[in-house]
Amino acid sequence: EAGVAQSPRYKIIEKRQSVAFWCNPISGHATLYWYQQILGQGPKLLIQFQNNGVVDDSQLPKDRFSAERLKGVDSTLKIQPAKLEDSAVYLCASSLGLADSYEQYFGPGTRLTVT
Amino acid sequence: TQLLEQSPQFLSIQEGENLTVYCNSSSVFSSLQWYRQEPGEGPVLLVTVVTGGEVKKLKRLTFQFGDARKDSSLHITAAQPGDTGLYLCPDFNKFYFGSGTKLNVKP
Repeated sequence: EAGVAQSPRYKIIEKRQSVAFWCNPISGHATLYWYQQILGQGPKLLIQFQNNGVVDDSQLPKDRFSAERLKGVDSTLKIQPAKLEDSAVYLCASSLGLADSYEQYFGPGTRLTVT
Repeated sequence: TQLLEQSPQFLSIQEGENLTVYCNSSSVFSSLQWYRQEPGEGPVLLVTVVTGGEVKKLKRLTFQFGDARKDSSLHITAAQPGDTGLYLCPDFNKFYFGSGTKLNVKP
């Protein structure tokens, strides 16, 4: 069974530029999560989708971050414009459903460096 | 507000040593998971414990859930370099992962 796929693995941009990350969850997983992990810290939830609907985006900085999961499968996370403090690893995870949110499968992450 | 604490924050040991890391919460867990995140990778689920007092073993790893379901420990016997990583016990009621315990096992 294929795991959670993310691309790109690494991205370097200048502040005020925009960037997009892509995630393909495990086939059949209805729930998808985006996390931000700053160096030395644990992951912080940004947004949670159930199929193509948003369950929780309370910690998403909506003035610059956006995410979508239009067909309930793949998802894209965008940052526009990027700030220096956005430098982090962005992790995507999926689970079978909301009731299985404790058993998440994570992708390898995208390491973003903002200069 | 639930407080989640993991200790120690950092641990550096030699291969073959034993170690224990702890997870403590101010509130009750309905269930508790331990994840390990290796450098450059996403976290991987190691175990789920549900019942107070429960003990689960995964090869050299022993997980114990406190009787009151507010705390847990992870004991590693004869640590190996492959055990190196960040150990997390997230609170999924609030999707809070905390900072975890960063373990480095030196060969």
